[in-house]
Amino acid sequence: GAVVSQHPSWVICKSGTSVKIECRSLDFQATTMFWYRQFPKQSLMLMATSNEGSKATYEQGVEKDKFLINHASLTLSTLTVTSAHPEDSSFYICSAETWDRTYEQYFGPGTRLTVT
Amino acid sequence: GQNIDQPTEMTATEGAIVQINCTYQTSGFNGLFWYQQHAGEAPTFLSYNVLDGLEEKGRFSSFLSRSKGYSYLLLKELQMKDSASYLCAVLHAGNNRKLIWGLGTSLAVNP
Repeated sequence: GAVVSQHPSWVICKSGTSVKIECRSLDFQATTMFWYRQFPKQSLMLMATSNEGSKATYEQGVEKDKFLINHASLTLSTLTVTSAHPEDSSFYICSAETWDRTYEQYFGPGTRLTVT
Repeated sequence: GQNIDQPTEMTATEGAIVQINCTYQTSGFNGLFWYQQHAGEAPTFLSYNVLDGLEEKGRFSSFLSRSKGYSYLLLKELQMKDSASYLCAVLHAGNNRKLIWGLGTSLAVNP
């Protein structure tokens, strides 16, 4: 149980375009989902926390107009990278937690974004 | 401020025991996690400690001392597949509940 999927697993896009990444909890309802970014050989950097039906809480330094997060249901959150630039190329990982096991986050497999 | 320290790299031999330390200073504490991450993959959960003491789970054990702000992950009978990055993370308490991550320890297991 507690499986989180991400789609796509990798994507290449051109500079200036937008990319949407989906995060789904497959067998549980996720009250809260987290979006992380990870650059090579670095640790996870929390970008934002999203709760179903409400606006996401962004970490300091993360542009909310550039990284649009939508958490429309208890099983789906999306991250849209708008007007992508090469420096946005990174590994994006989502995680989810449930109301009954709020001390553990279940991670998706990640999405590798390359902006050319 | 929030600070989590762990060694950047460690090397060990197959079959041996290795201990990865983590010290933390955070404004709130609601438990400490250890995650394993292989290159190019997402982190996988290893352990969670909220009370002082040792938690054992197969070849992996995790220890916590809240008074010292200290934890360690102990890996026994090392296998080549244990070569990975090990991430220490503290669950921040309060309304803004989130994980504060260390930079990770890259462990190389040699034959």
